[in-house]
Amino acid sequence: NAGVTQTPKFRVLKTGQSMTLLCAQDMNHEYMYWYRQDPGMGLRLIHYSVGEGTTAKGEVPDGYNVSRLKKQNFLLGLESAAPSQTSVYFCASRTRRLRDTEAFFGQGTRLTVV
Amino acid sequence: AQSVTQLDSQVPVFEEAPVELRCNYSSSVSVYLFWYVQYPNQGLQLLLKYLSGSTLVKGINGFEAEFNKSQTSFHLRKPSVHISDTAEYFCAVNGGNKLVFGAGTILRVKS
Repeated sequence: NAGVTQTPKFRVLKTGQSMTLLCAQDMNHEYMYWYRQDPGMGLRLIHYSVGEGTTAKGEVPDGYNVSRLKKQNFLLGLESAAPSQTSVYFCASRTRRLRDTEAFFGQGTRLTVV
Repeated sequence: AQSVTQLDSQVPVFEEAPVELRCNYSSSVSVYLFWYVQYPNQGLQLLLKYLSGSTLVKGINGFEAEFNKSQTSFHLRKPSVHISDTAEYFCAVNGGNKLVFGAGTILRVKS
């Protein structure tokens, strides 16, 4: 049972560099989410997707872009990394069926921007 | 729009004592409520969820929560905590496409 898999698990970037974080789920879930976790601030929603080919902005979308070309994958891109984007990033997915509506999370990506 | 307020950032408690972690929510639509736990350097795991029906919800590891619509609360309780319960706990609300989290409560269990 792979569930939700995030790659990479750790990354150090220099200011101005770009990178893509990959989230893959094998549960055929419709909804996928990207969050960032910072101390004392909980999880803040960056972008989300309710289905293949659709994305929407969350609470803190600036500086990030996303794509959902395949149902099982949700990519988060940083075009020009800034130190303020140092954080732990979590991907989550869930079905739209009510009775199973809890989200399943990946193990996180720890990103440091220097 | 939905929002979640966790009223305590840290809760210290001695082993075998009871604990309550408080959560208040706001939503303009029907809500589904969750408590997640995060152990150090790990992702989030579901503790319990409220979708409908009985307002007292039982979860894993002996935790339970009570949904109170009039007070818009969903407090988490455990009658006797263990050292292994030391973790960060998140309350979350799902009132539509988004899943919104509170800021988290760190539960520190002392021996």
